[in-house]
Amino acid sequence: QKEVEQDPGPLSVPEGAIVSLNCTYSNSAFQYFMWYRQYSRKGPELLMYTYSSGNKEDGRFTAQVDKSSKYISLFIRDSQPSDSATYLCAMKYGDSNYQLIWGAGTKLIIKP
Amino acid sequence: EADIYQTPRYLVIGTGKKITLECSQTMGHDKMYWYQQDPGMELHLIHYSYGVNSTEKGDLSSESTVSRIRTEHFPLTLESARPSHTSQYLCASSDTDGEGNTIYFGEGSWLTVV
Repeated sequence: QKEVEQDPGPLSVPEGAIVSLNCTYSNSAFQYFMWYRQYSRKGPELLMYTYSSGNKEDGRFTAQVDKSSKYISLFIRDSQPSDSATYLCAMKYGDSNYQLIWGAGTKLIIKP
Repeated sequence: EADIYQTPRYLVIGTGKKITLECSQTMGHDKMYWYQQDPGMELHLIHYSYGVNSTEKGDLSSESTVSRIRTEHFPLTLESARPSHTSQYLCASSDTDGEGNTIYFGEGSWLTVV
């Protein structure tokens, strides 16, 4: 069983919709949770970072961590065609980035 | 925008050839990483470096080797390419470890071995 599970999609929604992207994980020691966005044929870029449980908001994006359920979510409000990309979750238990464990990514398509 | 550059972006090469994927960053980051990513699959760390003359293997076994002679440069070499090496290779760098540190990625090198 993978340490981090992510629905591969594709998830196709109309422009303006609220999007919910999710990851589940098995290692209760994970404390640092990240969401990356990856456009086609590009490298990932950090969108959101959350430490431990709780919510974090940045513009149209909200990251949510529920450690009791081992479940993290990324919400996108007022989705735009430019949000079409693959969204990767990543998490780690310690400070070092070499410890990062990645999800396989969810492909999101926003239809104009 | 991240200042980390990978060359070549796309490469088709014959079996048995030696290849070097170049990676350079201008941010002065001490830590650099090489990841392998197949379509629809997770990123897997194959090598990382915490500074000049420091290299370690990642969690995914790889027949590639790396060197870190200069802070800004972290090339990856395959001595004898095989079709199983066909993949996307992503180079990345970060500043310090800790809570909010960010990994910056290059645009990737797509390798096809025929």
